[in-house]
Amino acid sequence: KAGVTQTPRYLIKTRGQQVTLSCSPISGHRSVSWYQQTPGQGLQFLFEYFSETQRNKGNFPGRFSGRQFSNSRSEMNVSTLELGDSALYLCASSLMGSSSYNEQFFGPGTRLTVL
Amino acid sequence: QQQVKQSPQSLIVQKGGISIINCAYENTAFDYFPWYQQFPGKGPALLIAIRPDVSEKKEGRFTISFNKSAKQFSLHIMDSQPGDSATYFCAASKRSSASKIIFGSGTRLSIRP
Repeated sequence: KAGVTQTPRYLIKTRGQQVTLSCSPISGHRSVSWYQQTPGQGLQFLFEYFSETQRNKGNFPGRFSGRQFSNSRSEMNVSTLELGDSALYLCASSLMGSSSYNEQFFGPGTRLTVL
Repeated sequence: QQQVKQSPQSLIVQKGGISIINCAYENTAFDYFPWYQQFPGKGPALLIAIRPDVSEKKEGRFTISFNKSAKQFSLHIMDSQPGDSATYFCAASKRSSASKIIFGSGTRLSIRP
């Protein structure tokens, strides 16, 4: 069974631009979560989608948004990029959404650099 | 607010030794405590997890010790091997939002041959 895939793996943008990252979960997984990983702040939860609905949200500004499609694939969008948005963005998928402890499987991440 | 505190930041252990990483949490609503292992260029992978109704869980060379009253838990890696060299994250979550994992700051573990 293929793992979680994320595209692109690397991305370079300039301040003020917007970016869209893509995540394909493991086949059959309906929950997709997004995390930001930086050396300073560590791993921080962005949001979770389940059955095309946002179920949980972290403490990030509205510039960070996401969506999930009917095939469970998910996209994350960051508008008006800032230097501080440079990070590794990780996607994780699991069978179920909140209220159950299902193992989350992480993808390799998208390394975003904002110049 | 750092809800899960992890120490040490880095750790060097001789091959065959015991690696110990400690974590403390603040929110008593947390009821699921996983540990993740991350290699360079990879996403974190679940290593072992525990719920607060047990004080210890062992899987192979990896053991979690849990102290509910002290709100602390730790990971012990017995007979540490060079292949264990990675970054380890403790974490916590609540059943009501199980997918929202709160991570510790990470420990970079190096095992010397």
